[in-house]
Formats: sequence, structure tokens, C-alpha cells
Amino acid sequence: GQNIDQPTEMTATEGAIVQINCTYQTSGFNGLFWYQQHAGEAPTFLSYNVLDGLEEKGRFSSFLSRSKGYSYLLLKELQMKDSASYLCAVRDNAGNMLTFGGGTRLMVKP
Amino acid sequence: DTGVSQDPRHKITKRGQNVTFRCDPISEHNRLYWYRQTLGQGPEFLTYFQNEAQLEKSRLLSDRFSAERPKGSFSTLEIQRTEQGDSAMYLCASSSERRTGELFFGEGSRLTVL
Repeated sequence: GQNIDQPTEMTATEGAIVQINCTYQTSGFNGLFWYQQHAGEAPTFLSYNVLDGLEEKGRFSSFLSRSKGYSYLLLKELQMKDSASYLCAVRDNAGNMLTFGGGTRLMVKP
Repeated sequence: DTGVSQDPRHKITKRGQNVTFRCDPISEHNRLYWYRQTLGQGPEFLTYFQNEAQLEKSRLLSDRFSAERPKGSFSTLEIQRTEQGDSAMYLCASSSERRTGELFFGEGSRLTVL
């Protein structure tokens, strides 16, 4: 089975940096993915990690440690439009499906 | 291509009725997924297709749920004898064979069972 944990809510200030953590315990692993979901909208793909280390993509970076079952999403220079839910998802061994965590609702304040 | 489209966007039905949702994936994607999402939760996997073959189905999915993708293009998800617990957003997503973790989601079909 898959168990994926994320904080339910976080608050941060515009212009700041925020780190959203994700821990997972899964029977198989073939990559960890981050999605963004604005209220009332569909999730959209942000980034993924298959190997350990940091992947940088503009203001967003994602880190993975497979031995620790741990990932984080780092958002820099926060903007009001970054207020959204951030979903961590693990892909199964066969590469066939994603299992999502409950999501972290991020509120960016002026 | 305009992305993944779903129809209807909203459906209100009475308990016990059957409902059907349709999903049109991105045309060059051969993988299609159905997820269900309730407020404040992440998407929950229901089933997925590779072309017309249904290759995996969640154990959480009761016999009242059935999905098809007859020609490997659009897909339908039918819920029979709906219950109030079926109220949720039903999300369809598609992906290419090479990038199976990069799902492109539709806007969803919101079901309310009264």
C-alpha cells in the first residue's frame, strides 16, 4: 500500500520562501511528483524527482531522498498567485499510476 | 488540441439514479485515468486505461462503478444506483506513454447526490 503525508495547511508571506514537506511509505516507488491545484481548478504538473537530489525549475525546486522516504517542494519569491494546494504523489513500480497525498493548502499573505 | 475535456461539468441527481460521465483525453495520449476528489483531499485513483484496455482498477471501487474506453479515445465512467457518499469531483486525466507521471487533468465533473 501507499501512505503519503503532507501538512494540511501552511501560511507564508509574499516575497518569502516556503518549504512544503512530503513523507511517504510505499510498497513500490518509481518517482515522486508535485502538482499545484488552485481552488476550483484541476491539478497541474509542477515537477518530479526520480533520483535523489534537487531539481530546480524557476522559482520552484523539488528535493528527494529515497532512503528517507522524503521530499520537499521549495517555493521562492512567493507571489499571491502561489496560494493553492500542493499535492505530492508517488508513482508505482510499474510506472502505471500516481497515488496522491492529501495536499497542503498554502496561503500567501501580503 | 485544447486539452482534456469532461462532460457534464456538474450533475445533480437523486439517490438511486444512474449517472454517466464522459472524458475526451488529449488526442495523442494513450493513457487515461479516472480519479475522484472530495473537498480538502487529494485525488483518489479509480482506474486507468492503456488504449482501450482497462489495466488497473482500485479495490475501493465498488461494483456500481464501471468505466469503458471502447475505441481507445474517449472514456465513460458510469455509476449505478448512486449513493450520497458518491458525491465528489470526478477527474479524468491523460498522459503519454513516455511521461506517465505527468498527468493532464480535465476540469472535472462534479456530482451531487441528493
